Amino acid sequence: DTGVSQDPRHKITKRGQNVTFRCDPISEHNRLYWYRQTLGQGPEFLTYFQNEAQLEKSRLLSDRFSAERPKGSFSTLEIQRTEQGDSAMYLCASSLGAVSQATNEKLFFGSGTQLSVL
Amino acid sequence: AQKVTQAQTEISVVEKEDVTLDCVYETRDTTYYLFWYKQPPSGELVFLIRRNSFDEQNEISGRYSWNFQKSTSSFNFTITASQVVDSAVYFCALSERGYGNKLVFGAGTILRVKS
Repeated sequence: DTGVSQDPRHKITKRGQNVTFRCDPISEHNRLYWYRQTLGQGPEFLTYFQNEAQLEKSRLLSDRFSAERPKGSFSTLEIQRTEQGDSAMYLCASSLGAVSQATNEKLFFGSGTQLSVL
Repeated sequence: AQKVTQAQTEISVVEKEDVTLDCVYETRDTTYYLFWYKQPPSGELVFLIRRNSFDEQNEISGRYSWNFQKSTSSFNFTITASQVVDSAVYFCALSERGYGNKLVFGAGTILRVKS
């Protein structure tokens, strides 16, 4: 079990540039989540996949944000035309949940990608 | 709407002291789940406990214990005989019953344990 890995760990970009982050979940996990955490705050939910289907998106996720999980394994989160307000830690989490029943299982988090927009 | 409040921004204790981290939540659902996660300096959140709304039994795991009281909408976390390795940010979180586990987190409590 290698855990959830995220790449890169740190990203510095200039305002207006596009950035893409990658998340590799624990291999057998069918659910994948993206959260955003700003300094001094708890993580905020952004979006969630079950296998390759994106089932829910937060209102926090503007049109400049897009996430994919094309084969139900790794996921990417892209931010277009970055703004200074996008500076945050982007956390990925994964879990193993039942397909046909409601579950509220524990999440396994990666160490995050710290984005700084100058 | 769901909300989690952790009123203590930062707590400092000396090693071997007991410390309680407070968590108050709001939800309109009758079925919900409460969690505590630990975030050490390395950044990844580590799961500590999950509780569903129908189970009000207190739980003890080693030096950790949790007190769930629906009457006051609280889910407090106590560390007994704290150690330096307990220094971290601790988050309380809430999720409503559903097919995914979308968590609403509190702002966190920074715990500093000094030797």
